[in-house]
Amino acid sequence: GAVVSQHPSWVICKSGTSVKIECRSLDFQATTMFWYRQFPKQSLMLMATSNEGSKATYEQGVEKDKFLINHASLTLSTLTVTSAHPEDSSFYICSAPDSGYTFGSGTRLTVV
Amino acid sequence: ILNVEQSPQSLHVQEGDSTNFTCSFPSSNFYALHWYRWETAKSPEALFVMTLNGDEKKKGRISATLNTKEGYSYLYIKGSQPEDSATYLCAFEKTSYDKVIFGPGTSLSVIP
Repeated sequence: GAVVSQHPSWVICKSGTSVKIECRSLDFQATTMFWYRQFPKQSLMLMATSNEGSKATYEQGVEKDKFLINHASLTLSTLTVTSAHPEDSSFYICSAPDSGYTFGSGTRLTVV
Repeated sequence: ILNVEQSPQSLHVQEGDSTNFTCSFPSSNFYALHWYRWETAKSPEALFVMTLNGDEKKKGRISATLNTKEGYSYLYIKGSQPEDSATYLCAFEKTSYDKVIFGPGTSLSVIP
C-alpha cells in the first residue's frame, strides 16, 4: 500500500536553531500534504496544508514565518521550524491523501 | 469550531474481553468518518472509512457503526488481544479531501 516516509523520527535541537522535517511519498504522488502537531494528551491539530507548486495554507494561529512549508515536488514536502523555542517541542506528523489518508510515522521535536 | 470527541480517554481490559469506544462529531455537513489504529512509534493505520448513515464495517474482530444523524460512531473489538493495545483515533471529514479533524483518541491496553 501507499507509504509516507517521515524523517527524522526524533530530533533534539538548541533554542534558536532551525529544524527541517521531511515527508516523502514513496509509491504515489502526493499533490497535497497535511501537517499536524500533537501536544501531550491532545488531538492531532492541523497546522497547514501544502500543495505542490503553490503556497501552503496555514490554519488560524499558526505562524507561517515560523513554520515554513515547502512542497517542491510531487513526492516531497518539508516543514522547517525556524528559530525553534522550547514551546515548539511537540510531535509533528504529516499525512497525504491517497485512497484514504496515509500518515508518516511522526517526528518528536525537543527544543532545549 | 468543529469538535470531535472520543470516550473513554483510556481503557484497560483483560485479554478476551470485548470492548467498545465512542466517537462523537458534528452531525451537519458530514462527508466521512475515519477510524485509525495507532501504535507507538508507528504510523496511524487506517481501519475504516464510513460515509453513509447506518454503515457498519468489519475487519476481523474489529467492527464499527455510524450514525450521522446524531453524530456518533462506535468501534467494537471482540475478544481483545494484547496486540490490540494501541490508541484508536477517529477523524471527521467535512468535505472530500478537506482537512480532517481528529478526536483525542482512546488508549486501549489489553492485559494478558
